[in-house]
Amino acid sequence: ETGVTQSPTHLIKTRGQQVTLRCSSQSGHNTVSWYQQALGQGPQFIFQYYREEENGRGNFPPRFSGLQFPNYSSELNVNALELDDSALYLCASSFDNYEQYFGPGTRLTVT
Amino acid sequence: EDQVTQSPEALRLQEGESSSLNCSYTVSGLRGLFWYRQDPGKGPEFLFTLYSAGEEKEKERLKATLTKKESFLHITAPKPEDSATYLCAVQANFGNEKLTFGTGTRLTIIP
Repeated sequence: ETGVTQSPTHLIKTRGQQVTLRCSSQSGHNTVSWYQQALGQGPQFIFQYYREEENGRGNFPPRFSGLQFPNYSSELNVNALELDDSALYLCASSFDNYEQYFGPGTRLTVT
Repeated sequence: EDQVTQSPEALRLQEGESSSLNCSYTVSGLRGLFWYRQDPGKGPEFLFTLYSAGEEKEKERLKATLTKKESFLHITAPKPEDSATYLCAVQANFGNEKLTFGTGTRLTIIP
């Protein structure tokens, strides 16, 4: 059974640029959630996708957007990057939104 | 609004010295309470789900318990490899797409 994978591992971007992060869900899972984790903080919910539809969103601006594909993999897109967007971005997958299993994360640095 | 408070923020124990981590929560109808372990720079690793007051779960040196207002993660005779940040999260019955996390307890086990 393959766990949740994310790419890339690390990313450095300049303020104002756009970034796309990718996540492959665990086999048999149909729900993907994205979280942002700042240093020393707990993960903060960005949004969730269930069967290719957005199924809830946290307090993040519209420049954070996402997609889920028919194979249940997902993308997180962030436009107009700001310095405060520097964080660890975590993807979690689950079946019907029960126990969420996290990937290793993507470390984004905005300079 | 759902809230999770974890204490202490940091805990240093000698190898073999047992202790407990606390997670206090407020949620409008608890669907589940989750414990995760997170190593530096990595994604959270799922440990336990608790669904109702009085429930207990064990895994190796860890035991999680749940009441209507808090959960405890008891660690018995810890080893240095148990050093990590332990995160607690709640999922509500309504708006259950997200997990609301605490800021974690950073546990250090000294050989």
